[in-house]
Order: sequence, then C-alpha cells, then structure tokens
Amino acid sequence: EAGVTQSPTHLIKTRGQQATLRCSPISGHTSVYWYQQALGLGLQFLLWYDEGEERNRGNFPPRISGRQFPNYSSELNVNALELEDSALYLCASSATVNYGYTFGSGTRLTVV
Amino acid sequence: QKEVEQDPGPLSVPEGAIVSLNCTYSNSAFQYFMWYRQYSRKGPELLMYTYSSGNKEDGRFTAQVDKSSKYISLFIRDSQPSDSATYLCAMMSDYKLSFGAGTTVTVRA
Repeated sequence: EAGVTQSPTHLIKTRGQQATLRCSPISGHTSVYWYQQALGLGLQFLLWYDEGEERNRGNFPPRISGRQFPNYSSELNVNALELEDSALYLCASSATVNYGYTFGSGTRLTVV
Repeated sequence: QKEVEQDPGPLSVPEGAIVSLNCTYSNSAFQYFMWYRQYSRKGPELLMYTYSSGNKEDGRFTAQVDKSSKYISLFIRDSQPSDSATYLCAMMSDYKLSFGAGTTVTVRA
C-alpha cells in the first residue's frame, strides 16, 4: 500500500512569490492534515480537510490556504512568501478523525 | 504556556539502556495520546496510540498515561542505535493533534 506522498521534495522560492505544495493521501483516507515544522518550533497545525471541506484551521494568516480535491488529494498554497515561511511542510492522512495520522516525508520550502 | 510541554533534550544513552521520555499537558480536553518517531529528513511515524490512563506495551516500547497528573511517558527498553531519532508526543482534542517539541535521542553503540 502506498503511503502519503508529497511533492515536490524541495522547493526554493524568492520572498513575495507563491508556493504550491501537493499531497496524496493513503487510498481510502478522506482526511488530510497540513503541519508546518520550522526549526526549533515543533509541528504547528495548519489545516484539516475532510470530504472536500475545510474542517479546522490553525492560527495562521489567510495567505496560507489550501483545498482538497474530489479524489481526496490536497494542495497547500502559501502566498506572499516571507523568510519565516521556510520550513518542512508535512501532510498527513487518516481514515478516522480520532486515530493517529500517517505522515508523508514532507516538502522542504526555502524562501530566499 | 504551551499546551504540550516536552523537554527537547538532547538525550544520549549507551546501547541496551532504558530510554525514558515524557510530556506534560495543560488541556484537560485531550482524549487521545500518541508517540511519534521522526528520523532525520523524514516525516513522523506513529509508534504508540492510547486513549486511557495506564500502561500500553508493544515490544520494547511502553506508553504510560496519567490523566490525573496530565503526564505521559514513553519507555524504550534494550535501546538500539537504530532507535536514534526525535520522539514527539502528540495529543488530540477537537479533531486536532497538538505536538510536543520533540526529544532528540542518540543511542551510542
């Protein structure tokens, strides 16, 4: 069974640009979660999508947004990139909301 | 005050030692408790999952939850160099997982 896949693995962008990160959940999982892991800050919750709807959002500015497609894959968009957006962005999926998540290997975003 | 507190370490132990990791939390709404292991440049991997106070054992790993003290622990017996990683505690409420900062563990051969 394929795990959670994320693309691209690495992304380098210039301040002010937009970044688009993609995630494919495990087959049969309808919930997708996005987390940001910045150096020294641990995992910070960004967004939760389930059945195509945004169910919960972390304490982040609206320039960070996303969506979930009918096939349950998801996209995270970070607009007007700032240097502090440099981090590992992790996507996770689950079949039920009250169980542990399965994480992908992440997209490392570097803003220069 | 953070919802979940975890000592970042680092923690260095000799091979075969018992590794003891712990987290404290302040949110009484947390119902589900997990431990994840994260190797360098990889995503976190679920190790243990529990929802009640008490102990849960899986091979060399034991997870302990004390809801009255808002305290959870992970013990790794007979530690191996392959256990060298960052261990993150995680807790769920309102369908959202909150993570500790992670403890970096090195097991010396």
